[in-house]
Amino acid sequence: EAQVTQNPRYLITVTGKKLTVTCSQNMNHEYMSWYRQDPGLGLRQIYYSMNVEVTDKGDVPEGYKVSRKEKRNFPLILESPSPNQTSLYFCASSLLGGASFFGQGTRLTVV
Amino acid sequence: DQQVKQNSPSLSVQEGRISILNCDYTNSMFDYFLWYKKYPAEGPTFLISISSIKDKNEDGRFTVFLNKSAKHLSLHIVPSQPGDSAVYFCAASWGGSGTASKLTFGTGTRLQVTL
Repeated sequence: EAQVTQNPRYLITVTGKKLTVTCSQNMNHEYMSWYRQDPGLGLRQIYYSMNVEVTDKGDVPEGYKVSRKEKRNFPLILESPSPNQTSLYFCASSLLGGASFFGQGTRLTVV
Repeated sequence: DQQVKQNSPSLSVQEGRISILNCDYTNSMFDYFLWYKKYPAEGPTFLISISSIKDKNEDGRFTVFLNKSAKHLSLHIVPSQPGDSAVYFCAASWGGSGTASKLTFGTGTRLQVTL
């Protein structure tokens, strides 16, 4: 089954404690991206990657890091999480020029 | 600066009637538009798209209309069904090749289809 898998689905952490949200896709897609969804703001892109070792900033990259060492994986790293990063996060993948497939989301709370 | 706007946060429609969801954009560089549907506790799922070279695209009960001069698009669902109750996001992208990968989303419209 074609899918984008994110882990964990829910996470509560404390300010400053580094965390990683994993994302994996099994569709051999070149393009992967991370979004955050906040009330009244829709989904905003954090980072994207056009292929292995190629990443670039989206609209709201501050406080986040990503890496793309393998085609199927695109982890999102918060080196020092802060409460304003409390949000619902989605990973997505697509073929270049194709519609994005989204994961089920990770609800992150930073206290 | 919201480049893609969905001005109606919510919409209620009776089953069997037409649902019309609207979306406006400000960036004239956008050349590809998509609609996504999102149920609670799930990720958005792709519904339908349209390239800027067209003014209409139809897929079953779903039709998207694009008015480039007005920078406006709309999604029509006919007939509406209870299972269509969800949040609908309009998204836009640009890139010359029509890539749908780097998306700018609207804030969403919650559609409720009542019996």
